[in-house]
Amino acid sequence: DAGVTQSPTHLIKTRGQQVTLRCSPKSGHDTVSWYQQALGQGPQFIFQYYEEEERQRGNFPDRFSGHQFPNYSSELNVNALLLGDSALYLCASSFSDSFEAFFGQGTRLTVV
Amino acid sequence: DAKTTQPPSMDCAEGRAANLPCNHSTISGNEYVYWYRQIHSQGPQYIIHGLKNNETNEMASLIITEDRKSSTLILPHATLRDTAVYYCIVKGGSRLTFGEGTQLTVNP
Repeated sequence: DAGVTQSPTHLIKTRGQQVTLRCSPKSGHDTVSWYQQALGQGPQFIFQYYEEEERQRGNFPDRFSGHQFPNYSSELNVNALLLGDSALYLCASSFSDSFEAFFGQGTRLTVV
Repeated sequence: DAKTTQPPSMDCAEGRAANLPCNHSTISGNEYVYWYRQIHSQGPQYIIHGLKNNETNEMASLIITEDRKSSTLILPHATLRDTAVYYCIVKGGSRLTFGEGTQLTVNP
């Protein structure tokens, strides 16, 4: 089992550009959550997807959007990138409302 | 979700027990206490969770006070590989609300 895989691992974008990050959940998991982790801080919840629908959303602007595919994989899209969007973006998967969430290694996004 | 308070840092000698405290005085009756840890440059890793009773697994033990306002994560025999940021989270819904955690440093 490959666990949760995220791509790419590192990314550099220019302010104003758009970015798409990808996540493949652990085998058998149907729920995907995305988190943003700024340097020196704990991860902050962006949103969660279940059955291809956004089930819950954190306090992030509409520039952050997502999608879940029928195979449960997910994408996080960020439009009009700001310097403050530079962070580690983490994907976590779980089976429905099970207790344990598994995290990927993250995508390090740098906006210049 | 209830707010948690943890010390910013702790040290522990290798081979000794590491006891990490967490205060969650506003916890509701249906909210669970979760612990995750994050080793540098990796994604967070689930450790353990509990509601009322003490819990133990292969990684750690979780002691929750009777009034549920605080808890302690115990790593019985800390190793250098346990050096990480440990997050105490009170979870009622499906999201995890992370604070800033405790940086545990295990010293040789």
